[in-house]
This record gives sequence, structure tokens and C-alpha cells, in this order.
Amino acid sequence: DAMVIQNPRYQVTQFGKPVTLSCSQTLNHNVMYWYQQKSSQAPKLLFHYYDKDFNNEADTPDNFQSRRPNTSFCFLDIRSPGLGDAAMYLCATSSLYGYTFGSGTRLTVV
Amino acid sequence: EDKVVQSPLSLVVHEGDTVTLNCSYEVTNFRSLLWYKQEKKAPTFLFMLTSSGIEKKSGRLSSILDKKELFSILNITATQTGDSAVYLCAASPNSGGSNYKLTFGKGTLLTVNP
Repeated sequence: DAMVIQNPRYQVTQFGKPVTLSCSQTLNHNVMYWYQQKSSQAPKLLFHYYDKDFNNEADTPDNFQSRRPNTSFCFLDIRSPGLGDAAMYLCATSSLYGYTFGSGTRLTVV
Repeated sequence: EDKVVQSPLSLVVHEGDTVTLNCSYEVTNFRSLLWYKQEKKAPTFLFMLTSSGIEKKSGRLSSILDKKELFSILNITATQTGDSAVYLCAASPNSGGSNYKLTFGKGTLLTVNP
């Protein structure tokens, strides 16, 4: 089945230790998104790619970076995670017919 | 700035009740409104609404969009405990093609008690 896959489902990282979250899609959609969702809050867009064009939201911290080496894969790099970065990170793709979300990665910072 | 407001923020009902969840939006160059159900994982797609006044149905769930008054409702009839979840509403602008950003509301936490 065509889908969006995020790995890992749960990630524990140490304060200040770089961490990478991954997302892959088999839908062949040219747009991919990373959202951050903190507890009891709405998902908040961090950035998105239209093909290889990277679009950063104005209020996304510099601590967050992203890479998209090809259509299928997209990575979220957190250079120095702080306690405030603990959240669910959602990857998504879009078509004319709607969004498809991955299962999310829940990040814990200790 | 685009804005989506959902009400109520939380709701507790008994099995069998009918509920109506509300979503109002202010989005420049509005394109579509989407409803999602979120349990303790990623959001699950329910409906995408682009045309005013046309009801979309899926089993016990239905939704309609009013583009004049800038709101949408999600109805759930004969609620079941499995309907307990956060229901998210999101709106997108018309940025062309398949590239569009979603602005989410804070969600309505629905609890259905047996």
C-alpha cells in the first residue's frame, strides 16, 4: 500500500545530542512537510519541500534543519535538542485530494 | 495571519448521543477545510471540504462547509466509545497545485462514556 512511513516511532535522546528523524513515502508526491505537535496542542508546520525547494516557516528555530535527498525520503535534524523540543513530529505529503500523514515519531529529551 | 478556531475544546457524552463539533476559519484565499481524528498517534483523515453546502458522509460521521459564514461542522451520530479522540480541523489556502500548508485548530477532545 502506498503510504508515509516514519522511523522510529519513539525516540529518546539526550539533552544537546543531535538527533535525526526520518520519513519515507511511496506515494510519489512532490510535496513533503514536517509538523511539530506538542502535548494538547495543534500541529505546527516547521517546513516543507516542494520537490527540492525548501520552505522554512518564519518562526521555526535554527536548531531544526531538514534534508530531502530524493523524492521518497525526508529527514528532520535537531542539532541540539532541548527539553522544549519534546513533541510528536509528523511527516506528511500532499496531493490535490488531501494530506497523508505518517504515524509520527514521539521524541523524548532527557 | 490565518486562523482556525474549534469549539468546544472538550466534550463528554454518553454512548448513543449525537454530537456536533464546530470549526470556524479565517484563511486568505481559502481553498479547503479538512477534518482529522487523532487518537494517541498521527491524525487520521476524515473529510476534505471545498464546496459550500455539500454534505459529506462516512458511516455515522458527516460534515458540511459554509463558505459564506466561514465555518464547518462535524456531526457524529450514535456515538461509540471508539469515537473518543481529538478531532482536528484544518484549513488550507489556495497556493496552487498540490502544495498547500494546513493551519490547524486546537482540536476538540471528545470523550464517549459507556
